[in-house]
Amino acid sequence: AQKVTQAQTEISVVEKEDVTLDCVYETRDTTYYLFWYKQPPSGELVFLIRRNSFDEQNEISGRYSWNFQKSTSSFNFTITASQVVDSAVYFCALESYNTDKLIFGTGTRLQVFP
Amino acid sequence: NAGVTQTPKFQVLKTGQSMTLQCAQDMNHEYMSWYRQDPGMGLRLIHYSVGAGITDQGEVPNGYNVSRSTTEDFPLRLLSAAPSQTSVYFCASSRRAPYGYTFGSGTRLTVV
Repeated sequence: AQKVTQAQTEISVVEKEDVTLDCVYETRDTTYYLFWYKQPPSGELVFLIRRNSFDEQNEISGRYSWNFQKSTSSFNFTITASQVVDSAVYFCALESYNTDKLIFGTGTRLQVFP
Repeated sequence: NAGVTQTPKFQVLKTGQSMTLQCAQDMNHEYMSWYRQDPGMGLRLIHYSVGAGITDQGEVPNGYNVSRSTTEDFPLRLLSAAPSQTSVYFCASSRRAPYGYTFGSGTRLTVV
């Protein structure tokens, strides 16, 4: 069975603070893909990143970075020097190559205050 | 290039009524899915399809039907609406894994 756990329901920070959003996943498959999506207050879902199970390299894109660790089944997302525009709900998701289903975690609401 | 188009954007139904939420994509994506989003529950998969003529159930399929007669369209049918189906519904499409899904703008459905 596939499962994604985002234990942090809501996080509040002040602008310029760094913040890490946690994601823990479960799957029996050896080939799978992990994603992060952002849902700003306007409601649309925006794709941020994809990582496959064979690539444990961390990735940095501007103020965003992702840490993928198979040993702990985690795919954490860090925002450096947060900004008010980062305020959104962030979802971690898992897709197994064998099941073709994209399963989401319950999301973490990030509020960045000026 | 419109991406994923969902209609309507808003809908109010009475308990027991039926309706179809429309979803169309113009990216020639094989995969299409329907999700519902409820507070504190994240996005839960209702039904999905890996190609025309092929559909399967997701996590919460009860009360919903789908069909996929063409690559472009993936309508979601509510057979007999219930207040528990009040939610925001998202349709999404993707090429075969590992590409990320593109989501529609959502349909906010209220069942009274």
